[in-house]
Amino acid sequence: DIVLTQSPVLAVSLGQRATISCRASQSVSISSINLMHWYQQKPGQQPKLLIYRASNLASGIPARFSGSGSGTDFTLTIDPVQADDIAAYYCQQSRESPLTFGSGTKLEIK
Amino acid sequence: EVQLVESGGGLVQPGRSLKLSCVASGFTFSNYGMNWIRQAPGKGLEWVAYISSGSSYIYYAETVKGRFTISRDNAKNTLYLQMTSLRSEDTALYYCARGDRTSPFAYWGQGTLVTVSS
Repeated sequence: DIVLTQSPVLAVSLGQRATISCRASQSVSISSINLMHWYQQKPGQQPKLLIYRASNLASGIPARFSGSGSGTDFTLTIDPVQADDIAAYYCQQSRESPLTFGSGTKLEIK
Repeated sequence: EVQLVESGGGLVQPGRSLKLSCVASGFTFSNYGMNWIRQAPGKGLEWVAYISSGSSYIYYAETVKGRFTISRDNAKNTLYLQMTSLRSEDTALYYCARGDRTSPFAYWGQGTLVTVSS
């Protein structure tokens, strides 16, 4: 199975940049397509797709969110961070079955 | 507007069975693969099962293989998860989500809670 590793908590000041990382135990890329996706989950809500295939902004998602990376190392960036961004963020790979998620990073405000 | 509405959750004793449903609307259900994903209380997300648009391809997480069965009825726009031999560790909020084999989970339902306890 592909294991995705995320830091559990990230504390950032409002208006600053948040960088959330996700490292895969093996490459999640196929022919230069990076099969890594990012989700936001607020308390009591279902997850919402933010970024697909590493760097593509999902429909309706503000441009403050961006994604980058390839192979085994990926980053979700929120710039600038707003109060509404307080949530858990999960990476997920669709390179192979079983599909796996990272354990999530909780974004907190300093 | 895409909508996914799960139902069928509840309190069930260990070893018993339960069947979840997910009714889809706002898109051509028969064109998309579908998934079940669960989240134990206070924990992260765990993918459970996938079924392709025409039911030709089905995959399961090892934790549920042999106990859970995913299926769909494209005429009724409905996805199912038959769960048998339930264990306490199956306690979770179960989401259905649209997504083909290598696609992201673009749409999620609100979830249905399954509690396995005596």
